[in-house]
Amino acid sequence: DAGVTQSPTHLIKTRGQQVTLRCSPKSGHDTVSWYQQALGQGPQFIFQYYEEEERQRGNFPDRFSGHQFPNYSSELNVNALLLGDSALYLCASTEQRDNEQFFGPGTRLTVL
Amino acid sequence: GDSVTQMEGPVTLSEEAFLTINCTYTATGYPSLFWYVQYPGEGLQLLLKATKADDKGSNKGFEATYRKETTSFHLEKGSVQVSDSAVYFCAHSGGGSNYKLTFGKGTLLTVNP
Repeated sequence: DAGVTQSPTHLIKTRGQQVTLRCSPKSGHDTVSWYQQALGQGPQFIFQYYEEEERQRGNFPDRFSGHQFPNYSSELNVNALLLGDSALYLCASTEQRDNEQFFGPGTRLTVL
Repeated sequence: GDSVTQMEGPVTLSEEAFLTINCTYTATGYPSLFWYVQYPGEGLQLLLKATKADDKGSNKGFEATYRKETTSFHLEKGSVQVSDSAVYFCAHSGGGSNYKLTFGKGTLLTVNP
């Protein structure tokens, strides 16, 4: 049983560019959350998707947007990249009725 | 607002020493509490959880008890191993319609042989 998978593993972009990160949830899970983890910090909640809609959002600007597909996979899009967007981006999945979130290995984004 | 405060690191112990990492939280409602572990270059793995007051979560020799009266969820292990070296994160879910996990800043544990 595959766990949560994310792609790509690493990504290097320059300021002002746009990036798309992808996540496939654990089998049987229908809810996907995204977190940003800056170096030396705990993960910060970006948003959560359920039934292809954004259900809850953290304190992140509109440059951060997402999407969930009918197969429950998800994308995180970041526009107009800033140096401060450099971080590990983690995807987590869960069943809607559960509160235990399973994390993927993350995508390391570097903005130059 | 919701927050988690955990013991500042880094923590350095010798093998077989006793470990305590303190964690306190602020939350509305009745959150579930979690400890996650992150090994170098990897994502987060759930270590243990507790969903209501006085519950004890345990896994791989680690334990933590949900203390509602002190809003705490301290992580303990009686005898650490070199393989326990990692970053440990305390977290809570908001409960009700608050689905996000709120994390502490993490505590780096290094266990020396």
